Amino acid sequence: DTAVSQTPKYLVTQMGNDKSIKCEQNLGHDTMYWYKQDSKKFLKIMFSYNNKELIINETVPNRFSPKSPDKAHLNLHINSLELGDSAVYFCASSPDEVGGYTFGSGTRLTVV
Amino acid sequence: AQSVTQPDIHITVSEGASLELRCNYSYGATPYLFWYVQSPGQGLQLLLKYFSGDTLVQGIKGFEAEFKRSQSSFNLRKPSVHWSDAAEYFCAVVPTGGGNKLTFGTGTQLKVEL
Repeated sequence: DTAVSQTPKYLVTQMGNDKSIKCEQNLGHDTMYWYKQDSKKFLKIMFSYNNKELIINETVPNRFSPKSPDKAHLNLHINSLELGDSAVYFCASSPDEVGGYTFGSGTRLTVV
Repeated sequence: AQSVTQPDIHITVSEGASLELRCNYSYGATPYLFWYVQSPGQGLQLLLKYFSGDTLVQGIKGFEAEFKRSQSSFNLRKPSVHWSDAAEYFCAVVPTGGGNKLTFGTGTQLKVEL
C-alpha cells in the first residue's frame, strides 16, 4: 500500500492546455507539499497545506493552483501550460514534528 | 542569505572505495539537517537526519554523516560503495523555529565504476 501516491506518473501535453496532478497519502499526516524538480535536478518547494489550509505559497505563477479537498489529498492544477513547466513534480507529506517527510514517486510533466 | 550548498555536482568512485559527499549550510542558527537519496526515476528516500546530540549520525544502507558546527557542514560518508549506490544525493535543511519547510541543496550525482 503506497504511502504517498501520485497520478499520473507521466503526463505529456501541449502548450496552452490545463492539467491536474493528484496526490493522496494514507499516513495520517497533517501537512502535504508540492515540490518541483527542474531539468538540473534542483528541488524547490511550491506549496504546502496543513489540514486543508494553505501555509506555504512560494513565488509560483498563479497558473498553478493547489487544492486540498481533505487532509489526505492535495491536487495541483496547472492552467495554460508553458514549455518551462516541464519538470518532475513531487508530492510529499509530513506529520507536525520536524522532518518526517515522505515523498511520492513523482509526476514527469512534459509540455510540447 | 540562508542557503544549503553541495559543492560537488558530480562524483565518480570505484566500487568498494570510500565516499564522502559534502554539504555546507548558511543559517543564523543550526538548522535541522537531512540527507536524501534519489535513484533514477524514483522519489526521494531519507538516509539520515540530525537534530541534536551525537554529531555522528548513522543512517540506512550503511551511510553515516558527521555534523561539524565549526565548519557549518554535514558531510555524508560511506566506507565502501556498492554499484547500487549510484544515485542523486541531496542535503536538505529545515530552519529551526521556521515550521517544517524542507529546503534542498543542488544535489550531487554519484557514479560508481565497476
